[in-house]
Amino acid sequence: EPEVTQTPSHQVTQMGQEVILRCVPISNHLYFYWYRQILGQKVEFLVSFYNNEISEKSEIFDDQFSVERPDGSNFTLKIRSTKLEDSAMYFCASSEGRVVTEAFFGQGTRLTVV
Amino acid sequence: DAKTTQPNSMESNEEEPVHLPCNHSTISGTDYIHWYRQLPSQGPEYVIHGLTSNVNNRMASLAIAEDRKSSTLILHRATLRDAAVYYCILSISGNTPLVFGKGTRLSVIA
Repeated sequence: EPEVTQTPSHQVTQMGQEVILRCVPISNHLYFYWYRQILGQKVEFLVSFYNNEISEKSEIFDDQFSVERPDGSNFTLKIRSTKLEDSAMYFCASSEGRVVTEAFFGQGTRLTVV
Repeated sequence: DAKTTQPNSMESNEEEPVHLPCNHSTISGTDYIHWYRQLPSQGPEYVIHGLTSNVNNRMASLAIAEDRKSSTLILHRATLRDAAVYYCILSISGNTPLVFGKGTRLSVIA
């Protein structure tokens, strides 16, 4: 069964450092998403990406965040200067089409900012 | 934003059916109803979706009220593996990203 793969599974970084979270979406999918989940809280939408540009973003997704599809397979989330409150699980997801019928989520990257 | 209301938690005995309710009284005609679940320490997982008619798949059934203001996810025989947080989500015309609420935490008792 196809799956979304995220690396690393756990990342520890110092406050103020840049971090890049990586995702390999399902190969024939065209829409890509990042979500985050702070421990004990709900899953929050960050950004959606299609045709090499951001199609929607939430108010959480401020200037310290950026996304990129640097090649045909990877989809990355960069946090420029991490803060303690960025500590969370970050989930990547992909879907086949614009009408979101079924989105596939990765297992997540646990980011810990110290 | 189209909003949903779900009970915070529910409990079920193993091998019994479970009916998870969701109210979405402000739903509009083109909003899709999605159900996802999140098992402990995992990413969300698609369960089922529908627009107007009831739907069945290998995981569950989705019963949609005639006025579409509520829906029910039905797990026909709960297993311990079904213990998870279940999210009922509306997407506007199916064209908006999934926005998760707090969901219903389902506990399954052996």
